[in-house]
Amino acid sequence: RKEVEQDPGPFNVPEGATVAFNCTYSNSASQSFFWYRQDCRKEPKLLMSVYSSGNEDGRFTAQLNRASQYISLLIRDSKLSDSATYLCVVLTFNKFYFGSGTKLNVKP
Amino acid sequence: DGGITQSPKYLFRKEGQNVTLSCEQNLNHDAMYWYRQDPGQGLRLIYYSQIVNDFQKGDIAEGYSVSREKKESFPLTVTSAQKNPTAFYLCASSKRSGVDEQFFGPGTRLTVL
Repeated sequence: RKEVEQDPGPFNVPEGATVAFNCTYSNSASQSFFWYRQDCRKEPKLLMSVYSSGNEDGRFTAQLNRASQYISLLIRDSKLSDSATYLCVVLTFNKFYFGSGTKLNVKP
Repeated sequence: DGGITQSPKYLFRKEGQNVTLSCEQNLNHDAMYWYRQDPGQGLRLIYYSQIVNDFQKGDIAEGYSVSREKKESFPLTVTSAQKNPTAFYLCASSKRSGVDEQFFGPGTRLTVL
């Protein structure tokens, strides 16, 4: 079983839509959680850390559900510029595990 | 501006040749990492270093070597022993190993001809 699993998508949504991604992790001892954004042929960039109480940064909301071992990312009012691949990253026993990413296409 | 630089951006290599990919950071981070990314796949850890003069193998270290003689620099050598080296190579650093979020360089795209 993979440490981190994501739906690869693609998610095709119109501008202005709300879209949500989930990511599941296998180890209940995982310590920290992050969402990264990766544009085509570029490096991953940190979007936000995910805290137990949930956190929001503008149009982006991240949540953690330890009981069910998943994290989520909600994007409101999607922009064309949100089109990218979103990587879920989990830190377990001081090692980072990356999901293979969920691709988002925002259409005009 | 603080950041991570990688060079070259694109690299072409003939089979049987060793090549070295450069990674430099001026963020004063202790930990540095090398990952490989293949199309449609997640990042896989090649090597990491928690501190100067120390490094450990990651999940796919075979056919690769590294050094960490300076805090700022963590070069990766792809040797001829690496069976399928064509990939996108990403270097990352974090303030502390296994604790803080990682920041990535722009990557090197290696193609073996």
